[in-house]
Amino acid sequence: AQTVTQSQPEMSVQEAETVTLSCTYDTSESNYYLFWYKQPPSRQMILVIRQEAYKQQNATENRFSVNFQKAAKSFSLKISDSQLGDTAMYFCAFISPNAGNNRKLIWGLGTSLAVNP
Amino acid sequence: DTEVTQTPKHLVMGMTNKKSLKCEQHMGHRAMYWYKQKAKKPPELMFVYSYEKLSINESVPSRFSPECPNSSLLNLHLHALQPEDSALYLCASSQGADSGSGNTIYFGEGSWLTVV
Repeated sequence: AQTVTQSQPEMSVQEAETVTLSCTYDTSESNYYLFWYKQPPSRQMILVIRQEAYKQQNATENRFSVNFQKAAKSFSLKISDSQLGDTAMYFCAFISPNAGNNRKLIWGLGTSLAVNP
Repeated sequence: DTEVTQTPKHLVMGMTNKKSLKCEQHMGHRAMYWYKQKAKKPPELMFVYSYEKLSINESVPSRFSPECPNSSLLNLHLHALQPEDSALYLCASSQGADSGSGNTIYFGEGSWLTVV
């Protein structure tokens, strides 16, 4: 079974500092996609970053970057220069096109990040 | 700004009521989703519509009835709900037939449902 694990239920960081959120996953597939979603207290789930497994280059999006280690099945999110608006739940998610009838996002339990002034 | 619009934002209903949640997207996406989310938990998939046809039903109780009138609209009809159905209901959409090809899923702000 495919699983996604986020081992840090809660984290905090000072404004302007850097924080890394961890995510590991388990799959026997070689082709898949990984996502980080952010859900601020206003509730809307927003895509932060998307990674295609066959691309070795780590995805980046402004202050957000990932460290994708395919062999280790690790997909951590680094937030640089943290801002108060980064306070949110962060969910890691996985999907494989080869999952047959189970082609749906597999979610981690989330990490609640608080950015402190 | 969200491109998936959900109404209403808040709904309180009794266990004998019939109500509907509505969702609209104008991104030309052909896959639309309903998720249920409890506080501090990840979303749980309920239904997937692909090209206006129901493609996935995650064994959701029949008191939840989805409807896709056209490619831009998705409804969730609610009847005889239980207090444990109180949750945030998220509508979402993506390109392609479903999310299996790795297409990004775009979410609406959600409808917070309270069953009394």
